[in-house]
Amino acid sequence: KNEVEQSPQNLTAQEGEFITINCSYSVGISALHWLQQHPGGGIVSLFMLSSGKKKHGRLIATINIQEKHSSLHITASHPRDSAVYICAVLQGGADGLTFGKGTHLIIQP
Amino acid sequence: EAGVTQFPSHSVIEKGQTVTLRCDPISGHDNLYWYRRVMGKEIKFLLHFVKESKQDESGMPNNRFLAERTGGTYSTLKVQPAELEDSGVYFCASSPTSVTADTQYFGPGTRLTVL
Repeated sequence: KNEVEQSPQNLTAQEGEFITINCSYSVGISALHWLQQHPGGGIVSLFMLSSGKKKHGRLIATINIQEKHSSLHITASHPRDSAVYICAVLQGGADGLTFGKGTHLIIQP
Repeated sequence: EAGVTQFPSHSVIEKGQTVTLRCDPISGHDNLYWYRRVMGKEIKFLLHFVKESKQDESGMPNNRFLAERTGGTYSTLKVQPAELEDSGVYFCASSPTSVTADTQYFGPGTRLTVL
């Protein structure tokens, strides 16, 4: 069973700061997802990674398969980035995702 | 293109009652997943359909939960009888291909409160 750990659990930063959220998992995976949930909102898939790095706008996601670690970076953070960011992994042979507990991010103006 | 929809958005029922949650995946998506987040805990996988077949239901907590996907389109998740610990947010997600490592599109969730 895969254990997915996210850090930090809570993060408050000022607008414009560079944000990093980390995710570690214990067992080899076939894919890793970064998801976003705004307060009262649904879950949105930001990235799915199996290797390397992906970029979308101000968001960058990286994964190191050997170290079983992924990071989500937000450049030039903005208050609208305030949300819960969730890391979820798909283990080879498994059907469903295993989720981390999420990181509560607040960006203050 | 419409996203994944779930109905109802909220449900409040008493212990012992029955509740049925519905999920409509994105049209053409063969894969449908149910997940649940209980208060204060991480989201957990419940089960996975490929078309109308249950591919994996290892996450279903007990036999009070019954999921169906007749015709391979929408899915229902019935809880009967509901218990207090069933309270939480139930999410549905779908993905298009038979490759399980694919982007999953999540619905808005159904918040279930059992009193």
